[in-house]
Amino acid sequence: RKEVEQDPGPFNVPEGATVAFNCTYSNSASQSFFWYRQDCRKEPKLLMSVYSSGNEDGRFTAQLNRASQYISLLIRDSKLSDSATYLCAVNNEDSNYQLIWGAGTKLIIKP
Amino acid sequence: EAGVAQSPRYKIIEKRQSVAFWCNPISGHATLYWYQQILGQGPKLLIQFQNNGVVDDSQLPKDRFSAERLKGVDSTLKIQPAKLEDSAVYLCASSRGGGRFIRNTEAFFGQGTRLTVV
Repeated sequence: RKEVEQDPGPFNVPEGATVAFNCTYSNSASQSFFWYRQDCRKEPKLLMSVYSSGNEDGRFTAQLNRASQYISLLIRDSKLSDSATYLCAVNNEDSNYQLIWGAGTKLIIKP
Repeated sequence: EAGVAQSPRYKIIEKRQSVAFWCNPISGHATLYWYQQILGQGPKLLIQFQNNGVVDDSQLPKDRFSAERLKGVDSTLKIQPAKLEDSAVYLCASSRGGGRFIRNTEAFFGQGTRLTVV
């Protein structure tokens, strides 16, 4: 089993819809959680750090479920520009806080 | 603040040649990472530095890859000799370090070097 798993998609979603995807992690000692966005042929860019209480930034909401060991990302009122691959990453003290990456979920927003 | 700088952006070499990549992290960031990313996959860590010391190089193919961060600031990654399977994007990232707080472990990436080995 991979340490961090994501549904590769693609998720094909009409513009204006709400979309959510999850990222599961296997190490219960994981401490910090992140969502990154990666556009085609570009570098990953930090979208949100995921706090224990969850956090919201505009149309984006991230949640952490420690009991079931997953994080989620919800995008409301999706825009064409939201089309990208969304990568999740986790770390823990035992691994020197290096980020363990999922393979990403591809999101395609259609007009 | 200036981001992570990497060069070159693109490189095409023949197999068995050597190549070097350069990275300058965000000012003040103690932790520097080199990643290899193949299309459709997440970044794969090659080496992690904390200041000028190596924290983890367990996934670095040491028979052909080497990296250094001599003064604890910028870093170089070298491949010698290159193989066809080394074709990938090489990403450098940095973070503040000091892992206790989530903000210290947020990693910021350079634009990457796209390497093609022919």
